[in-house]
Amino acid sequence: DQQVKQNSPSLSVQEGRISILNCDYTNSMFDYFLWYKKYPAEGPTFLISISSIKDKNEDGRFTVFLNKSAKHLSLHIVPSQPGDSAVYFCAGQNYGGSQGNLIFGKGTKLSVKP
Amino acid sequence: DSGVTQTPKHLITATGQRVTLRCSPRSGDLSVYWYQQSLDQGLQFLIQYYNGEERAKGNILERFSAQQFPDLHSELNLSSLELGDSALYFCASSVDNRGTDTQYFGPGTRLTVL
Repeated sequence: DQQVKQNSPSLSVQEGRISILNCDYTNSMFDYFLWYKKYPAEGPTFLISISSIKDKNEDGRFTVFLNKSAKHLSLHIVPSQPGDSAVYFCAGQNYGGSQGNLIFGKGTKLSVKP
Repeated sequence: DSGVTQTPKHLITATGQRVTLRCSPRSGDLSVYWYQQSLDQGLQFLIQYYNGEERAKGNILERFSAQQFPDLHSELNLSSLELGDSALYFCASSVDNRGTDTQYFGPGTRLTVL
């Protein structure tokens, strides 16, 4: 049973436009959500996170939105740059239950075209 | 560079064999996590150690085991290898066991079982 789902395996966006990556989850115990970015031949790197008590968190060009009632979160990248081309993983976590491990989605490959 | 090191980078072995993957966490980090990334499953949590003790277990097979040593490096042992064990194995570390601590990932070990 997949607790975190990223239904779009890939997304292509023009440079300068907005990229919207979506993620759905089923586990109501998740109280923290994270986005990681992964380049080929490298490990995932942390991008941005959001606590379940918030509905939005912003960091520069990156904004994460959380809709708890819909069990849905999204990552917005504005404006998109070619260097943003990577695989983006959404992850959920139940840190209130002392579970530090991340439950990842399968990832969305973002291609930003110049 | 995340500060997490993993060796070896690549490992090619035969079915039925046993291998050991090694991870050195970032300086000062007490928690180590192991994840497996296979083609169809995405990133899956295997096991977590905190300051030498097992803290959480995920989808780790009985043929797999791990430990964290007093110097905080960790080893993941995979035995009776099968073709399906071919995957990227990532180690991540975080400062503490608090769920909101950022996990920093190493570059991974690519295991190929022939």
